[in-house]
Amino acid sequence: EAAVTQSPRNKVTVTGGNVTLSCRQTNSHNYMYWYRQDTGHGLRLIHYSYGAGNLQIGDVPDGYKATRTTQEDFFLLLELASPSQTSLYFCASSDEGSLYEQYFGPGTRLTVL
Amino acid sequence: QQKVQQSPESLIVPEGGMASLNCTSSDRNVDYFWWYRQHSGKSPKMLMSIFSNGEKEEGRFTVHLNKASLHTSLHIRDSQPSDSALYLCAASPNTGKLTFGDGTVLTVKP
Repeated sequence: EAAVTQSPRNKVTVTGGNVTLSCRQTNSHNYMYWYRQDTGHGLRLIHYSYGAGNLQIGDVPDGYKATRTTQEDFFLLLELASPSQTSLYFCASSDEGSLYEQYFGPGTRLTVL
Repeated sequence: QQKVQQSPESLIVPEGGMASLNCTSSDRNVDYFWWYRQHSGKSPKMLMSIFSNGEKEEGRFTVHLNKASLHTSLHIRDSQPSDSALYLCAASPNTGKLTFGDGTVLTVKP
């Protein structure tokens, strides 16, 4: 089964702090994604990428940067964290060969005080 | 911006009963639909996908798709307490970008 890992699993920071969330997939998938999930909402797409060095803007990108350094690694950066970014963050990967079925990591719970 | 609407927001069914969940996309370019299931405290996992008009059955789960109305539905027969979860519908115009709905919370009462 596809493997996607995320770190850290939990993170607490203060308003204005810098946070980097990491994601690694070992499935040789081309696509990687960052979502946030809040109570009462499904998954909202922040950024995604279809290969190393590529970045596509998602539906809720404000306040977030992302970087895809290799096929395996995708990072989400919050440079001036705000309490509104307190959420559960999921990374996922997919590939055209599997018709874009998405495989999710375990999630990172971020709290911004 | 493409929207995916799911209904109902929450649903309670008795053990052994039938659960029916609905999903509609507002994007006429959508080609693919998925249903994901997310148990409490876990990450979402793909449950079923459907890309053509009609019906697809896998065990106790049946999914329907009407491409003309961009509507899909998921039916779970003989519901079990282990089916209690958040069910997320997703749609895509045959690209890598999926749009998810806000989900239906299903509770199966023993």
